[in-house]
Amino acid sequence: GEDVEQSLFLSVREGDSSVINCTYTDSSSTYLYWYKQEPGAGLQLLTYIFSNMDMKQDQRLTVLLNKKDKHLSLRIADTQTGDSAIYFCAVESGGSYIPTFGRGTSLIVHP
Amino acid sequence: EAGVAQSPRYKIIEKRQSVAFWCNPISGHATLYWYQQILGQGPKLLIQFQNNGVVDDSQLPKDRFSAERLKGVDSTLKIQPAKLEDSAVYLCASSLLGADTQYFGPGTRLTVL
Repeated sequence: GEDVEQSLFLSVREGDSSVINCTYTDSSSTYLYWYKQEPGAGLQLLTYIFSNMDMKQDQRLTVLLNKKDKHLSLRIADTQTGDSAIYFCAVESGGSYIPTFGRGTSLIVHP
Repeated sequence: EAGVAQSPRYKIIEKRQSVAFWCNPISGHATLYWYQQILGQGPKLLIQFQNNGVVDDSQLPKDRFSAERLKGVDSTLKIQPAKLEDSAVYLCASSLLGADTQYFGPGTRLTVL
């Protein structure tokens, strides 16, 4: 089955850009998602990208997809303290419509 | 629009006891999912319903876990008897149809002592 890997922690200074990386194994992946989870809350869908795209921009968020390397990244511009949370990469493949989640990257934003 | 509602938010039980969680999906959403999120891991699907029918329960430990979605709206997830390794956050999500974006509830944090 699909395997999704993320680094566990990222620390950035307020105002800098954050880049969270994700790798996956299934080349037939169709939809790729980024979710945000704040303490004590459920997962909030931030953005997603279709596998036939290589970039998607949505305000401060930029998603880059490198299908050849099976690498997905999320860039957050002008990172704020309110962006501190756990970010999950999730990948759907094989027409299952059920995403496989990574373990999450804990983003810490300090002044 | 109201989001996915779950209760209780927290539950502490002793091993071998029983526990039940409740989920009310977004109005009109036909598909409902239960996920288990163990600390430090991503959510893992336990069961998917389409209306009141089960679509996928291949990851549900059926010897102790059960779920139902009567009338195709609310759903309950039960664990009987609970084990220490069941300590996790249980997330409910819903979508209009199976191929659509999933919206998650706040989860129920279960601690088994």
